[in-house]
Amino acid sequence: AQKVTQAQTEISVVEKEDVTLDCVYETRDTTYYLFWYKQPPSGELVFLIRRNSFDEQNEISGRYSWNFQKSTSSFNFTITASQVVDSAVYFCALSFDSGNTPLVFGKGTRLSVIA
Amino acid sequence: NAGVMQNPRHLVRRRGQEARLRCSPMKGHSHVYWYRQLPEEGLKFMVYLQKENIIDESGMPKERFSAEFPKEGPSILRIQQVVRGDSAAYFCASSPDRRFEQYFGPGTRLTVT
Repeated sequence: AQKVTQAQTEISVVEKEDVTLDCVYETRDTTYYLFWYKQPPSGELVFLIRRNSFDEQNEISGRYSWNFQKSTSSFNFTITASQVVDSAVYFCALSFDSGNTPLVFGKGTRLSVIA
Repeated sequence: NAGVMQNPRHLVRRRGQEARLRCSPMKGHSHVYWYRQLPEEGLKFMVYLQKENIIDESGMPKERFSAEFPKEGPSILRIQQVVRGDSAAYFCASSPDRRFEQYFGPGTRLTVT
């Protein structure tokens, strides 16, 4: 089965705390792609990152970092020194080479950053 | 490069009317996807189209819903005889290839009264 699980439904942190959003995926494909999207209160969906299955290097972009571990089928997202503007719903997603199915989304994690 | 365009942004329909939602993909993108999001819920995949073809409609209700992506013009999601349960945000996304990231439009918020 092709599946994405975001076990954390809601997280609240105080501003400047670090927070990690978990994403666990299931796929039988050897070639696949992982994504994170952000949906702020305004409602639009913003693409954050794509990672392919052959590239396990972690990525850092400003206060955002992503930890991809094939051994645990996880693609976790960490926000360092969180800010109120980081408050949003974050979705992890998966796509693969085989078949026709496009992105499979997790149910999302709602992050609230409190000033 | 303009992003994905959706219109209208807000649509109010009475029960029994038809709703037509439009989506213009990003330039150079031939793959279009429609999603529905109910309040406080995640994204539910509805249909995947690639110019004039429906590739995957496994997420679309069998009745009252249809989608098209003609050779010319925007993709259309059509909901006939709307019911209150159709009230939701409908997002369109596009990509140059189905394996790659999808870019989302701002969504159409449909309210059925």
